[in-house]
Amino acid sequence: EDQVTQSPEALRLQEGESSSLNCSYTVSGLRGLFWYRQDPGKGPEFLFTLYSAGEEKEKERLKATLTKKESFLHITAPKPEDSATYLCAVPIHGGSQGNLIFGKGTKLSVKP
Amino acid sequence: DAGITQSPRHKVTETGTPVTLRCHQTENHRYMYWYRQDPGHGLRLIHYSYGVKDTDKGEVSDGYSVSRSKTEDFLLTLESATSSQTSVYFCATLDRAMNTEAFFGQGTRLTVV
Repeated sequence: EDQVTQSPEALRLQEGESSSLNCSYTVSGLRGLFWYRQDPGKGPEFLFTLYSAGEEKEKERLKATLTKKESFLHITAPKPEDSATYLCAVPIHGGSQGNLIFGKGTKLSVKP
Repeated sequence: DAGITQSPRHKVTETGTPVTLRCHQTENHRYMYWYRQDPGHGLRLIHYSYGVKDTDKGEVSDGYSVSRSKTEDFLLTLESATSSQTSVYFCATLDRAMNTEAFFGQGTRLTVV
């Protein structure tokens, strides 16, 4: 059964304190792993897609990496505006890229 | 937001009444999706469409129906709303089946009392 698990559920950091969020997955034939950011009361906002083990992508203070079993979202020197819930998702086996299984998310709080 | 508009943004309805949520997109994307988001469950797929009049069920489709008569509009109907359908509903669109990513609307918060 396709499954996505994110950890931790919540993470509290001080501004400038780097850390990583984890997304472990089990899916038959990975066709991409997606990271989204969601702010309260808003829809998920696309961040990254990773397609193969060893791939890395960066955007400002965020870097996403992928192995054969998990993905990490590294946050370097976070700022309060990075506070949000970060969601990880993979396409369901046999479905389109929009037929997604989501993890439950990691709620990140960055304190000044 | 990839030109996705959901309406209404908030709705309170009574148990047993029918409810229709609308998703409108201006991107001419072929694929459209309805998800619901609940605490402790994350986002779950309800129904999706891969073209006009072409729809299929997702993981949690019981109690819901959809219609897509035009490329730009995807409607989600709760035939007889129940309290368990209180949730936040998100619409998403996708340009093509592979090598792309889905974009989400701002959501509709539905409360069934």
